[in-house]
Amino acid sequence: GAGVSQSPRYKVAKRGQDVALRCDPISGHVSLFWYQQALGQGPEFLTYFQNEAQLDKSGLPSDRFFAERPEGSVSTLKIQRTQQEDSAVYLCASSLGTKISNQPQHFGDGTRLSIL
Amino acid sequence: GENVEQHPSTLSVQEGDSAVIKCTYSDSASNYFPWYKQELGKRPQLIIDIRSNVGEKKDQRIAVTLNKTAKHFSLHITETQPEDSAVYFCAARYRAGYALNFGKGTSLLVTP
Repeated sequence: GAGVSQSPRYKVAKRGQDVALRCDPISGHVSLFWYQQALGQGPEFLTYFQNEAQLDKSGLPSDRFFAERPEGSVSTLKIQRTQQEDSAVYLCASSLGTKISNQPQHFGDGTRLSIL
Repeated sequence: GENVEQHPSTLSVQEGDSAVIKCTYSDSASNYFPWYKQELGKRPQLIIDIRSNVGEKKDQRIAVTLNKTAKHFSLHITETQPEDSAVYFCAARYRAGYALNFGKGTSLLVTP
């Protein structure tokens, strides 16, 4: 596709439910990032994949957050037993190379998650 | 980890004037500094970036300057237009890390 695609665009869930957010990166992009953006704030890093390998998950707020990219393309961010503080926009970004090449990160439109 | 401070948080200018947004970073090992523009409800869009081996970069009405000694970098928009109105984020990437560390954003309003 032409850009990073995320689905769903909006997700409403009740507290305690599990949710899954999908990211389809730009074709051929090696690196994939997940960020969380709270209202009125800048994006905050959650996790990074290089192909299928999750090389950094230091930003995941708790063990309720889990991400995977099993075939090195599409990625899923799963949040178990959602809490109200999980409400945010979840952004996915991809870049062509690895960190060494400092390639630009291209963002998707995000998934706006609201926990009731 | 990297800490990025961004100022001002809001900026209002008249159409045609220049706008300047400043950011400072904490880690001298940071080597990549992009700027993103985000319109309401839209994705962050990269508008310009600079690497640590360069002091200045320009693209039409947009320029970025980097002072590695002082650990700050700035975005300059000249001849502003109403369509420049958006939230602008600076970011820095620590050389040994993967993530971009973002500032809190500057809401720019360009009035006709």
